[in-house]
Amino acid sequence: GAVVSQHPSWVICKSGTSVKIECRSLDFQATTMFWYRQFPKQSLMLMATSNEGSKATYEQGVEKDKFLINHASLTLSTLTVTSAHPEDSSFYICSARGPRDSQSGYTFGSGTRLTVV
Amino acid sequence: AQKITQTQPGMFVQEKEAVTLDCTYDTSDQSYGLFWYKQPSSGEMIFLIYQGSYDEQNATEGRYSLNFQKARKSANLVISASQLGDSAMYFCAMRDHAGGTSYGKLTFGQGTILTVHP
Repeated sequence: GAVVSQHPSWVICKSGTSVKIECRSLDFQATTMFWYRQFPKQSLMLMATSNEGSKATYEQGVEKDKFLINHASLTLSTLTVTSAHPEDSSFYICSARGPRDSQSGYTFGSGTRLTVV
Repeated sequence: AQKITQTQPGMFVQEKEAVTLDCTYDTSDQSYGLFWYKQPSSGEMIFLIYQGSYDEQNATEGRYSLNFQKARKSANLVISASQLGDSAMYFCAMRDHAGGTSYGKLTFGQGTILTVHP
């Protein structure tokens, strides 16, 4: 089946540094990638939608300068948390659209637990 | 705007019993899709079952079935013969109509933590 590889699975970084999270579709072309954020025992909140070769569309309230999304190829989308602070500590997970016959069209990465100290 | 509501923060069930997790939704779209995902403590999102708005029959996948009542806008998940490994958080989600700038994003409910007792 379709697979999205997300790395790293967990990361600890110092306050003020930047962290890059990668999501790579291994056996299909992901023209659209959704990035979610999840706090413990809460729902997944959509942060932004990225399409290959174009600027990401951010949800209301999400700082585009803080959460940089790049979708430069059909198999790779990245989320960079810039100047991270403890309040950015969260679980980040990506989801790619397609292929339609796999999991009804959405393939999730395994998620990244970010801890900012 | 689309909305998904899961009113059960937590549910308990005895092993081998059936359990129903509730989900209601609100949308003005005629075409939409409804999903259920399982999220164990590891965090991965495990796809369980899908129901399209035009599907006349309720979806089933092994021990999972979706009780789709379109007029009531509900899409409850039924897990039969619960197993200890079913203990996890469960999310109901809806896909909006992919068109214009929507890109068919998924909107998630608040989730229900299911605990299966031996």
